[in-house]
Formats: sequence, structure tokens, C-alpha cells
Amino acid sequence: DAGVIQSPRHEVTEMGQEVTLRCKPISGHDYLFWYRQTMMRGLELLIYFNNNVPIDDSGMPEDRFSAKMPNASFSTLKIQPSEPRDSAVYFCASSLAGTGNYNEQFFGPGTRLTVL
Amino acid sequence: AQSVSQHNHHVILSEAASLELGCNYSYGGTVNLFWYVQYPGQHLQLLLKYFSGDPLVKGIKGFEAEFIKSKFSFNLRKPSVQWSDTAEYFCAVNADNAGNMLTFGGGTRLMVKP
Repeated sequence: DAGVIQSPRHEVTEMGQEVTLRCKPISGHDYLFWYRQTMMRGLELLIYFNNNVPIDDSGMPEDRFSAKMPNASFSTLKIQPSEPRDSAVYFCASSLAGTGNYNEQFFGPGTRLTVL
Repeated sequence: AQSVSQHNHHVILSEAASLELGCNYSYGGTVNLFWYVQYPGQHLQLLLKYFSGDPLVKGIKGFEAEFIKSKFSFNLRKPSVQWSDTAEYFCAVNADNAGNMLTFGGGTRLMVKP
């Protein structure tokens, strides 16, 4: 398996532009998570999906952020309009459903976003 | 809500020194516990995990962690660190009332001097 795939790996954009980050989870995984990592705030959970349905989006910082999962193999995180404070590394992770051994989350390589 | 505390934010060691990174969590029910490692410029990778059974868990690269339920702790240890262990280490907890969500600690940055 190729693991969790994220694109792009690096994104540089100007303030006010729309940014779309993409994630392909591991095939067969039921859960998909979006995290943001910054020096100041560490690793923050933004939102997660179960079977393509958003379960908890309480970590989404504000209305400028939105996430979708149209099918089991694809998710997007969109920022519109982007601001310099959104600069961070955004990770996607996926896991199987169930308890115990299934809770391990597998992380993608991340997208490093820079908003100028 | 659960919380996870990693009290050491930055640790600097010389090669061959012993390592212990603290992790405490705040949930009284059943938990699954994880340590992840993030090497510079890379994504998080699983080091080890505990679900049940022997509270002393062995992971990759010579790491181990001990679950002490009475102390709500899951400290990470390695008897002799190497320069290649320089990374950030994250403790994470899955509580039995949290579905598949993991709560991560703030991370500990380890620098090993050659």
C-alpha cells in the first residue's frame, strides 16, 4: 500500500487566495483526520470523518476553513480566503474503525503551506 | 475531555545517554496509548503502542514505554540514544469514550549531540 497520500507537498500562495489541500487515505480505512502543526500550537486536530461523514469539526479555526470527503478515497481541506497565520504543515491521517489495534493512525507526508 | 501532558518540551542529550520522556493523561477509563516520532522534515510515524496486557511495551529502534495506570503515565525510554534519534516525540491517547480520536500531547523535541 502506498500509505496516506497528500498533495501538494508544498504550497506558497498570497493572502486572500483560495487554497485546496488534498488527501487520499489508505484503502479500506474508515476514518480520516486533518491536523495542523505549527511551532506555536503544536499538533491540532481540525476535523475528522467516519465513512465520509464529518464527525467532529470543533477544531476548525473559523469559517474560512472547510473540509469535504466526497468518497472513501478522497478528502479536501479548503481555506478561503487564506491568511498569513494559516501558514503551517497540514497533515492527513487515516485509521480503521474499531477499538484497540484499529486506533493506530497512519499519517501522510503533510502539506507545507506558506501564505505571504 | 481528555488531555495529554508532556512536561519536557526540549531535551538535549549526548550520544549513549539514557532517555526518559514523560507522558501523563487525564482520563480515568480505559485507554489505548501511543508514542509517535517525527524526524526533521518528515511525517509522524508510530514508535510503539499499548492496548492491553504487559504494561511494558517494546517498540522499534530500541524504544520502550511503561504504562503505569495508577499514575496515568506512559513514559518513553531508551537506554542509549543515538544521534539519529534526534526528532520530536508525541504521546497520544485514545480514550474508550472518544471513538477513534487520538488526543496528542504537545511534543518533546529531542536533540542528541554526537
